[in-house]
Amino acid sequence: QVQLQESGPGLVKPSETLSLTCTVSGGSVSSGRYYWSWIRQPPGKGLEWIGYISYSGTSNYNPSLKSRVTISVDTSKNQFSLKLSSVTAADTAVYYCVRETVVVPAPGDWFDPWGQGTLVTVSS
Amino acid sequence: SYELTQPPSVSVSPGQTASITCSGDKLGDKFVCWYQQKPGQSPVLVIYQDTKRSSGIYERFSGSNSGNTATLTISGTQAMDEADYYCQAWDSSTWVFGGGTKLTVL
Repeated sequence: QVQLQESGPGLVKPSETLSLTCTVSGGSVSSGRYYWSWIRQPPGKGLEWIGYISYSGTSNYNPSLKSRVTISVDTSKNQFSLKLSSVTAADTAVYYCVRETVVVPAPGDWFDPWGQGTLVTVSS
Repeated sequence: SYELTQPPSVSVSPGQTASITCSGDKLGDKFVCWYQQKPGQSPVLVIYQDTKRSSGIYERFSGSNSGNTATLTISGTQAMDEADYYCQAWDSSTWVFGGGTKLTVL
């Protein structure tokens, strides 16, 4: 079964760029059935969708973060990545990489499975 | 922006039925998913497309969606069901999550 694993620095300085990578095992990011997403959760708070990317590079971002977010995919490494620029303390959160099953024509997609999550703290 | 509203907390006695609601404008016209998150763990998909149970989810979990409200129902609630539950829907090219409901099994 497919598994996702986040990796990257756990501490980022304010104003710098947060960079995370998600490695997919047991499945392929090249499958057209799925989008590959990032979702975050500030400590003690709820879930916030960041954005997704398809194997072909089609992406969609949360409008509230769009100006600072880039999600990319590397099919040769079976990975996808997140970059969030100009971070502040408000970006401190557990970041999850997640597979999104795509259903057309209606947006009946769902998120499953989720990675274990990685805590990123923004602090000097 | 679109909002999904959940009660912050719901309490239920073991063996009883728990209902967790998720409200949003014309939510019944959208598909809703539900996720369960236990402390220190990643969310797990429970219900997708309003009523479909995810693989491995117990039959006591069911979902419905009509009008402005989607409901996650847990029949015969067990102590192991104590967790945070989040609803999710799509609006204006954005995935939106509810604020979450903490289910306490007393």
